[in-house]
Amino acid sequence: DAGITQSPRHKVTETGTPVTLRCHQTENHRYMYWYRQDPGHGLRLIHYSYGVKDTDKGEVSDGYSVSRSKTEDFLLTLESATSSQTSVYFCAISRGAETQYFGPGTRLLVL
Amino acid sequence: QKEVEQNSGPLSVPEGAIASLNCTYSDRGSQSFFWYRQYSGKSPELIMSIYSNGDKEDGRFTAQLNKASQYVSLLIRDSQPSDSATYLCAVQPSNSGGSNYKLTFGKGTLLTVNP
Repeated sequence: DAGITQSPRHKVTETGTPVTLRCHQTENHRYMYWYRQDPGHGLRLIHYSYGVKDTDKGEVSDGYSVSRSKTEDFLLTLESATSSQTSVYFCAISRGAETQYFGPGTRLLVL
Repeated sequence: QKEVEQNSGPLSVPEGAIASLNCTYSDRGSQSFFWYRQYSGKSPELIMSIYSNGDKEDGRFTAQLNKASQYVSLLIRDSQPSDSATYLCAVQPSNSGGSNYKLTFGKGTLLTVNP
């Protein structure tokens, strides 16, 4: 366990509602990442952060925003959830070029 | 688009056999390579990392890297039913550094070890 928690672990929501997922780390790692994992697509990077208030887009960032106001917390927001955003969301952390460690994941169902 | 391809699977081997998992990547300048194991319903966990050409062994696991062929593999010796999982290959691209240490993942290979 790399000291990463995600909340909530499961969520069911309706199309059009905003959703915020939280990733919390106790390792003081500089880099944090949000991925989604879908059958047939594998893990795809949504957004990442390289420091407090420093974030950038990944390959599937449309419809998502992120914020990092503290080293330990990285928030992923779906401004208006759609059914195509039903997925398993993983947060990961790293010191840099070293290995990324993953959180337990959040299962999101958008009805 | 930098790509990572894995053998499609699923791969089924008998207990005690060697399981061979393969991965190719398109970015010739890729620097670091990782194998993750993911049990059903769980998060990926690191198995091996490899950074230079050749073999790297850790217990029953051996990672092999050939940068000229843009190929990385994972061998699991004396396979056990507990090794049954999806194995993900991940590659750190050539433009890594500074603010960017992203990984590109393959879609994974499902391995089943039969008792």
